Amino acid sequence: GEDVEQSLFLSVREGDSSVINCTYTDSSSTYLYWYKQEPGAGLQLLTYIFSNMDMKQDQRLTVLLNKKDKHLSLRIADTQTGDSAIYFCAESAPGYSSASKIIFGSGTRLSIRP
Amino acid sequence: NAGVTQTPKFQVLKTGQSMTLQCAQDMNHNSMYWYRQDPGMGLRLIYYSASEGTTDKGEVPNGYNVSRLNKREFSLRLESAAPSQTSVYFCASSEPSGQGSFQPQHFGDGTRLSIL
Repeated sequence: GEDVEQSLFLSVREGDSSVINCTYTDSSSTYLYWYKQEPGAGLQLLTYIFSNMDMKQDQRLTVLLNKKDKHLSLRIADTQTGDSAIYFCAESAPGYSSASKIIFGSGTRLSIRP
Repeated sequence: NAGVTQTPKFQVLKTGQSMTLQCAQDMNHNSMYWYRQDPGMGLRLIYYSASEGTTDKGEVPNGYNVSRLNKREFSLRLESAAPSQTSVYFCASSEPSGQGSFQPQHFGDGTRLSIL
């Protein structure tokens, strides 16, 4: 079945790079997503990658996709206190009715230490 | 830009009480979703509505009902609340995925529900 796994916690020093890792099971996923959830708020789409890409860079964010190993990572360069949040990895599940079904991981809580 | 609006933001219920969570979106999206978020478990899909007039069960539908009132609104009802339904509930909306098209889900800020 479909499953997305990620570690629950990550602590990094301010200014360092953060790398959040994720594994998924559905090789037919068209898109893979990273959502960010700040305290008391809903999920916001941070970035995404199409399944035929290996890498996507967007300012401080770099997404790497290894389709062979079904591994997705999010690198945040120069991590700031404002990056403290829960980061959710998610994969699309095409063919599920006509809705845009997404399978979410359990989320990685990123904390920044001075 | 309101996006997806959920009401109420917080609610405390007693076991056995009923409650309807409201969700409205102003992005003219066809598809809407209800999730619950529990610590360490990510988001789990309760029900979804691919388009106006249709609803389908998700991963954890037991104890819930939904109504797609019109294209904008999608409500979630707890007929007889149980402590196991204490959670944060999120509504989301999107366009249908089609074949390979990019259609992310847009989320509301959530309803924090406690059942005593």
